[in-house]
Amino acid sequence: GAVVSQHPSWVICKSGTSVKIECRSLDFQATTMFWYRQFPKQSLMLMATSNEGSKATYEQGVEKDKFLINHASLTLSTLTVTSAHPEDSSFYICSADREVRGYTFGSGTRLTVV
Amino acid sequence: GENVEQHPSTLSVQEGDSAVIKCTYSDSASNYFPWYKQELGKRPQLIIDIRSNVGEKKDQRIAVTLNKTAKHFSLHITETQPEDSAVYFCAASMDSSYKLIFGSGTRLLVRP
Repeated sequence: GAVVSQHPSWVICKSGTSVKIECRSLDFQATTMFWYRQFPKQSLMLMATSNEGSKATYEQGVEKDKFLINHASLTLSTLTVTSAHPEDSSFYICSADREVRGYTFGSGTRLTVV
Repeated sequence: GENVEQHPSTLSVQEGDSAVIKCTYSDSASNYFPWYKQELGKRPQLIIDIRSNVGEKKDQRIAVTLNKTAKHFSLHITETQPEDSAVYFCAASMDSSYKLIFGSGTRLLVRP
């Protein structure tokens, strides 16, 4: 149980286009979801906290107009990378809060901007 | 905000030996400390966690210790096996419903 499904698992897009990444909690309701970015051989850096029905809270240095987060339901959060550039190429991964049972992670999305 | 430091960045051990990874955190309000194992291109997998009301927790070959006064916690892996080779991350949170802040990671290599 407690599965978070993340799609797509990988995507290649042209510079200047937008990419949407979805995370769905399949068997539980996720009031809160977290979005992380991980560059090669680096740690997971928190980008934003997404709360169902309200605006996301972004970490310092993360452009909210570039990384659009929507959490319209208790089972779906999306991250849209707008006007993507090669420096946005990274591994993006979501995590959902399962309250006292801890966090569960999506499978990640490898974004390559060419 | 919370800052988590992790050492060492790389660790190479002989199969059967023990491995220890250490982390320190800055925010005394943090009370949840999970450890994750991540293989290349995969999601982090929770291997053990500890809450601030406990000083030590063990699960077979894996143990975690927490020193709240010193604000540090450690992962201990005994009888290491080649399949333990991966990147390990510590993390800290003020609550298991709050954001996780990760350490920089430790690349563990277990030599057969």
